[in-house]
Parts: sequence; C-alpha cells; structure tokens
Amino acid sequence: NAGVTQTPKFQVLKTGQSMTLQCAQDMNHEYMSWYRQDPGMGLRLIHYSVGAGITDQGEVPNGYNVSRSTTEDFPLRLLSAAPSQTSVYFCASGKINGGPLNTEAFFGQGTRLTVV
Amino acid sequence: AQTVTQSQPEMSVQEAETVTLSCTYDTSESDYYLFWYKQPPSRQMILVIRQEAYKQQNATENRFSVNFQKAAKSFSLKISDSQLGDAAMYFCAYRSSYNNNDMRFGAGTRLTVKP
Repeated sequence: NAGVTQTPKFQVLKTGQSMTLQCAQDMNHEYMSWYRQDPGMGLRLIHYSVGAGITDQGEVPNGYNVSRSTTEDFPLRLLSAAPSQTSVYFCASGKINGGPLNTEAFFGQGTRLTVV
Repeated sequence: AQTVTQSQPEMSVQEAETVTLSCTYDTSESDYYLFWYKQPPSRQMILVIRQEAYKQQNATENRFSVNFQKAAKSFSLKISDSQLGDAAMYFCAYRSSYNNNDMRFGAGTRLTVKP
C-alpha cells in the first residue's frame, strides 16, 4: 500500500498564480483532510471531507478550495496564491467508523509551498 | 475555542532513559479525543497514541504511554527506554466529538535523544 501520497513535495509560486496540491490515498478511507503547518505553530485544519461529494471548511479555509469527486482523491486548490500561503501542507486520511479517533490516522509527507 | 498548550519547546533525554512530554488543553466539552503525533526530520506526521476522554484507563502503545488527567485537562506522553529513533517533534492534538471541523494541535516539543 502506498498510504497517503502528496504531490508535489516542493513548489514555488509567484503571487497571483494558481495551483493544485494533489492528495491520494489507497486505503478506501472515507475521511480526508488538509492542514497547513507554519513555523512555531501546530497544524491548522483547512478543509475536510467525510466522503465523496461532501466537503466542509476547517479553521482556516480562506483562499483554498477543495472537491472530492472520488474516495481516493482530495485535491486542494489555491486560486490566487499569496505570500501568506507560504507553508507546509499536509493531507490526512482515516476511517469514519470508530468515530473521531480514527479520522487523522495517516498523513502524507507534506508539500512545502513558497509564494514569492 | 479549544486551545492546546505544549509548554516545553525542547526536551532532551539520554538513550534508554524515560522522558515525559507535557500537554494541557482548554475545553468546555465533556467528550473529546486526544492524540500524540511524532514528526521526524522526514516531515511525515505519524500517529503515536490516542485517547478517548470518556475512558479513564490510560492508553499504552509499546514504549509509549499517556497520563490522562481529565479534571486537570492534562495529557502527557511518557516515552520509556528512549531510542535514537525517537528524536523528533512531538505534537499533542485535541479533537472535538461534537464539531468535525475542530481539530487543534499544540505548537510541538522537539525531543533530542543523546547516545
């Protein structure tokens, strides 16, 4: 099993550019989520999904869009990148059954994004 | 809003010794979930241990155990027989059982293991 796969691992964008961070999991997990990690801070939840076709906002959703057309994929879109979005982004997945204990069970290796 | 505080930015331990990492949280909820994650230099977040607030028994996973004090809102992680591979950032996290969008992480503790 590949687990949770994020691409790319590194990316540099210019202010105003758009891009999509990819996240895929092969464990048939219903729950997927996106976090950002900034220096000196813990992870903060951007968006999450409890199944295909269902997404919702987390703590810091502004500037980001998501969609969930399949169980496996949960891409994160930056429509117009800003320097404040420079961060490391993590995707997580987990099972829904068993409740919140299992939702963030597996993480990808992260994408380091720099917006100049 | 729930907050998670890790008061020790850095800790060090001698190989084979025991170390305890502290975590406190603030909540008005009675039911919730607590987690410890490890982030080695590879950057990947790894789930170490988890605890349901309604369970009084402290969770244990091999050399890792927690001391969960619900009244004190404390959730410390004990690592026994520390190994060089335990060196990493450790994050404490709180998840609400009422709001799916409420998952909070502490700022982390950097653990160094000395040979």
